[in-house]
Amino acid sequence: QQPVQSPQAVILREGEDAVINCSSSKALYSVHWYRQKHGEAPVFLMILLKGGEQKGHEKISASFNEKKQQSSLYLTASQLSYSGTYFCGTDDQGAQKLVFGQGTRLTINP
Amino acid sequence: DAGVIQSPRHEVTEMGQEVTLRCKPISGHNSLFWYRQTMMRGLELLIYFNNNVPIDDSGMPEDRFSAKMPNASFSTLKIQPSEPRDSAVYFCASSLDRREQFFGPGTRLTVL
Repeated sequence: QQPVQSPQAVILREGEDAVINCSSSKALYSVHWYRQKHGEAPVFLMILLKGGEQKGHEKISASFNEKKQQSSLYLTASQLSYSGTYFCGTDDQGAQKLVFGQGTRLTINP
Repeated sequence: DAGVIQSPRHEVTEMGQEVTLRCKPISGHNSLFWYRQTMMRGLELLIYFNNNVPIDDSGMPEDRFSAKMPNASFSTLKIQPSEPRDSAVYFCASSLDRREQFFGPGTRLTVL
């Protein structure tokens, strides 16, 4: 079952904050976040394991609410380089099989 | 490390022809994944291998698709015969255990 990401697209000015959500209908073992720029491959950002942890990567952080079966990605003080499409990939089996959401397109304007 | 290597980067073929996509995972990684990306269907997992053994091929569209991993440093995805609806970007990714997946640059396949 594919996770649902929201919003589908967001446009920001440089320096603004954004939140991208990823919801699943199944209990999750882990959530992976990737960013893909146009014409390139997805690039790993972070993994969150069940236990409700929160991780950070520069000004990008994420949380995982196991009970709500959802994860959120937080981008603070966005930079032009943050533009791209963000995907969450969910693992509901404790294996390595990821099901990716449809993506959230983030555009950062100067 | 050179990262995941895929070839060819672009492939244009005619309907009915056989297509073979190749992937060299990162050395030391024990899992390999084949994905397909289209605008309509997004990023889909086709098949993945662990220690060269196919673990889950439930995403393979139909019998026209097959994948092999004869050794830890090489995998192929074959489409025979190809159809226009197979046109997509095919990514190979590798990982170590359950850690992050590293994607190759992809092969853009166009079937005319």
